[in-house]
Amino acid sequence: QQQVKQSPQSLIVQKGGISIINCAYENTAFDYFPWYQQFPGKGPALLIAIRPDVSEKKEGRFTISFNKSAKQFSLHIMDSQPGDSATYFCAAIGSGSEKLVFGKGTKLTVNP
Amino acid sequence: KAGVTQTPRYLIKTRGQQVTLSCSPISGHRSVSWYQQTPGQGLQFLFEYFSETQRNKGNFPGRFSGRQFSNSRSEMNVSTLELGDSALYLCASSLGSHPNQPQHFGDGTRLSIL
Repeated sequence: QQQVKQSPQSLIVQKGGISIINCAYENTAFDYFPWYQQFPGKGPALLIAIRPDVSEKKEGRFTISFNKSAKQFSLHIMDSQPGDSATYFCAAIGSGSEKLVFGKGTKLTVNP
Repeated sequence: KAGVTQTPRYLIKTRGQQVTLSCSPISGHRSVSWYQQTPGQGLQFLFEYFSETQRNKGNFPGRFSGRQFSNSRSEMNVSTLELGDSALYLCASSLGSHPNQPQHFGDGTRLSIL
């Protein structure tokens, strides 16, 4: 049972473009939604996170949009750069738990 | 501040053997979680330790076990290795004492079973 569904599986964007990755969750007990960025040979690195009482959070070129009623959230990368090429994972976690539930990941390629 | 350190980085074993992986969390972090990453299943939660006690456990067989020491360092053990255990094993640490503390990952141990 996949509790967090992530799409697309892969994404190719031109330099300067906007990258958009979408996630949907099922468990209404989730109350913290982080995004991780993973480069080959490295562990996932926390990028940005949001709680469901906020509809949008922006950090630099990265923005999370959250729709609680639809149980969906998305990551927008503005002005995408070749250095952003990595695999991105959305995740969810419930209060009182340390168990992160991950989406399957999106491999982003930003062409120069 | 030093990040999460996992040792060894690479490991090659044969079926039937056992293996122990080590994780040193970020200083001050008391929660350590372990995840298995494979191309097919993605990132899956194994278990979490806080103050030497297992608080959460994922859906893995009993061959997978772990422990945490008083200095918060953690070890994970897999016995009777199977080919399907080939994966990247990731450790993450967090403060763990409050809800929804961000988890910070190490670079993992790549385990290959021959």
